[in-house]
Amino acid sequence: ETGVTQTPRHLVMGMTNKKSLKCEQHLGHNAMYWYKQSAKKPLELMFVYSLEERVENNSVPSRFSPECPNSSHLFLHLHTLQPEDSALYLCASSRSTDTQYFGPGTRLTVL
Amino acid sequence: AQSVSQHNHHVILSEAASLELGCNYSYGGTVNLFWYVQYPGQHLQLLLKYFSGDPLVKGIKGFEAEFIKSKFSFNLRKPSVQWSDTAEYFCAVNIGSGNTGKLIFGQGTTLQVKP
Repeated sequence: ETGVTQTPRHLVMGMTNKKSLKCEQHLGHNAMYWYKQSAKKPLELMFVYSLEERVENNSVPSRFSPECPNSSHLFLHLHTLQPEDSALYLCASSRSTDTQYFGPGTRLTVL
Repeated sequence: AQSVSQHNHHVILSEAASLELGCNYSYGGTVNLFWYVQYPGQHLQLLLKYFSGDPLVKGIKGFEAEFIKSKFSFNLRKPSVQWSDTAEYFCAVNIGSGNTGKLIFGQGTTLQVKP
């Protein structure tokens, strides 16, 4: 299934690096999301965008910076991350409050 | 605070055994309920969902779930599991409104089916 794609699939970065995660949805949806999936913890909603406007920021540290240039693309810019930020970062999209469709995720390791 | 609780963290069954995974949520408003599944090496996929109407909903691969409003529960069932059902299962509640959803996930249940 290629409804929601994410790149890169794996990323290793040092604490002083700057990197970006990319998400693209091909479903014509109007809302996009970033989630964090850590071991032994529930998926955590990070950011919500509706029609390119951020509508929710779930108390996420400023070292994570989202960007939604249009309704099909979503980025997560990473800067000076900590080792505890290592996780699987998932992107999802939906038509309003309907079912969210998830991408395969980016496995991030911060050294 | 809103939360979702999945009671079983790790379940091991033999093929053909029956499955029931518990899910309870705490939220007083109108909810949409979901079960997602994550097969090994694959992304999260929708198993089934409840928005309104018949509280017994059927999903893919023979799964079903029952919404019991008075118990704030949405338990997942399958009468006879197969080895290919080995996966992680997530219950989620959507408390969003307007143009966006807001999914609250449970911690997940790892199901291992022995052939």
